[in-house]
Amino acid sequence: DVKVTQSSRYLVKRTGEKVFLECVQDMDHENMFWYRQDPGLGLRLIYFSYDVKMKEKGDIPEGYSVSREKKERFSLILESASTNQTSMYLCASSPSGYGYTFGSGTRLTVV
Amino acid sequence: RKEVEQDPGPFNVPEGATVAFNCTYSNSASQSFFWYRQDCRKEPKLLMSVYSSGNEDGRFTAQLNRASQYISLLIRDSKLSDSATYLCVVTLSNTGKLIFGQGTTLQVKP
Repeated sequence: DVKVTQSSRYLVKRTGEKVFLECVQDMDHENMFWYRQDPGLGLRLIYFSYDVKMKEKGDIPEGYSVSREKKERFSLILESASTNQTSMYLCASSPSGYGYTFGSGTRLTVV
Repeated sequence: RKEVEQDPGPFNVPEGATVAFNCTYSNSASQSFFWYRQDCRKEPKLLMSVYSSGNEDGRFTAQLNRASQYISLLIRDSKLSDSATYLCVVTLSNTGKLIFGQGTTLQVKP
């Protein structure tokens, strides 16, 4: 089974902090994605990547950046955390053209 | 207009009931279709892919109508463990980017 591992299940950070969310997959998938999920808004795509060192903006990239230095790892960076970035963050990976496997999510609270 | 639209529900049904969820998508270039299941405070998990010819997996049947841009999921003989949110998902290309509906919540009662 494909495994997508997110480094933290719960995280509490202060406003203005730089926050790193890490995601690692073990099946050599080309595609990796970061979503956030909020009640009433569903899953919204922040950034995605089709290959090492490649990144594409999703629907809501503002306030976020990403890094993909190795194929198996896709990091989401909140440059200066704000309270409106409190959310559930979900990482996913997939081979091209197929469905995703999600990590178990990181519930981030910014205070 | 949202790219993928679902009735959010909730659908409250008794055990043993048959329940159907519908989903419409706006982009005719959509290529692949899926249903995901998400339990409370958990990540979404792939339930089944949806094929043009329709497909079945046990008590679950998925249908796709490309002409009407419509996808459905039928659950027969509902179990308490079927209670979850069901997400309709489409892709636009082979790049793998998925577009999610907001989900339909199902609550199966004893």
